[in-house]
Amino acid sequence: KAGVTQTPRYLIKTRGQQVTLSCSPISGHRSVSWYQQTPGQGLQFLFEYFSETQRNKGNFPGRFSGRQFSNSRSEMNVSTLELGDSALYLCASSLGPGVGNEQFFGPGTRLTVL
Amino acid sequence: AQTVTQSQPEMSVQEAETVTLSCTYDTSENNYYLFWYKQPPSRQMILVIRQEAYKQQNATENRFSVNFQKAAKSFSLKISDSQLGDTAMYFCAFIVIQGAQKLVFGQGTRLTINP
Repeated sequence: KAGVTQTPRYLIKTRGQQVTLSCSPISGHRSVSWYQQTPGQGLQFLFEYFSETQRNKGNFPGRFSGRQFSNSRSEMNVSTLELGDSALYLCASSLGPGVGNEQFFGPGTRLTVL
Repeated sequence: AQTVTQSQPEMSVQEAETVTLSCTYDTSENNYYLFWYKQPPSRQMILVIRQEAYKQQNATENRFSVNFQKAAKSFSLKISDSQLGDTAMYFCAFIVIQGAQKLVFGQGTRLTINP
């Protein structure tokens, strides 16, 4: 079974631009969660999607948004990029709430904002 | 609020030694899972071991075992016969059963296994 895939793996953007990151979960997984990883703040939860619905959102500004498609693939978008948005963005998939709760992580997208 | 604390930012041991990583957490929930994840340098995060809070028996996976003390809200990871490939960042994490699929992570412990 293929693992969680994320594209692109690396991105370089400038301040003020916007970016879209993509995540394809493991086949059969319906829940996708996104995390931001930085050296200073560690791993922080961004949001979670289950069956195309955003079920929970972390403490991030409205510039961070996402969506999930009917095939469970998910995208997250960051508008008006700031230097502080430079981070590793991790996507994780799982079967759904209560089903073991184990999340499988993708390799991440490393975003650099100049 | 749910929090996870890892008090050891860095640890270093010799190959074949045993090492224990500490983790404490805080929650008012009663039904949850605890995890240890491993993130090797420039590689993706993988699950090392999982513990269901309703199980009293400590989880074991080959050389990895946990000491789960629910009353004390403590969840330490023991690595026996450490290997060079165990070098990685280790994250302790917590998730509520039936809640949002939101892992709450500790700050991580950077573990180095020396030859």
